Amino acid sequence: DAKTTQPNSMESNEEEPVHLPCNHSTISGTDYIHWYRQLPSQGPEYVIHGLTSNVNNRMASLAIAEDRKSSTLILHRATLRDAAVYYCILKTGNKLVFGAGTILRVKS
Amino acid sequence: GAGVSQSPRYKVAKRGQDVALRCDPISGHVSLFWYQQALGQGPEFLTYFQNEAQLDKSGLPSDRFFAERPEGSVSTLKIQRTQQEDSAVYLCASSQRVKPQETQYFGPGTRLLVL
Repeated sequence: DAKTTQPNSMESNEEEPVHLPCNHSTISGTDYIHWYRQLPSQGPEYVIHGLTSNVNNRMASLAIAEDRKSSTLILHRATLRDAAVYYCILKTGNKLVFGAGTILRVKS
Repeated sequence: GAGVSQSPRYKVAKRGQDVALRCDPISGHVSLFWYQQALGQGPEFLTYFQNEAQLDKSGLPSDRFFAERPEGSVSTLKIQRTQQEDSAVYLCASSQRVKPQETQYFGPGTRLLVL
């Protein structure tokens, strides 16, 4: 399973944008880039996914580097409810292979 | 609509006891997954069903772990002769189709504590 590298933790101020980086230098052509987040005491929640092009949805944006070896999850205006562990996952088959993720702290 | 539900939400077991954890996936979802999450770590894959067929059980840590989905909907994860190292949150997820881009929808998990 292809691996991803994320910072252990990041901090953001409320109402400001947050850029969460992910490196995946061993990505293959068939790997989709998925982002999930996990709030305390809850199951993981889907955020966004992409293959080659940048993606936007109501929760976030995903910027994918041209060589696909890195990506960035963008939360446009962080709120306290966005405090969670964010997982960047490469998915070829059906299962999700989680790493340690990035703990996002949001300050009011 | 209803999401993925799991029961019980919490389970305390004495070492050596058998436990059964239930997952009710989203209606109509073909794929069902079980994950194990130890404290402070990311979830780890245990097993995967496509309808009633168990297509991947490579993540099951030992033969004490057994999962089934006999009618292609509800699934049960059974752990026999529980050990303290089995203490974890057990997460169930389902997805509508069988494709790498498919979203997985997770339940709240069952927190198992083995004493």
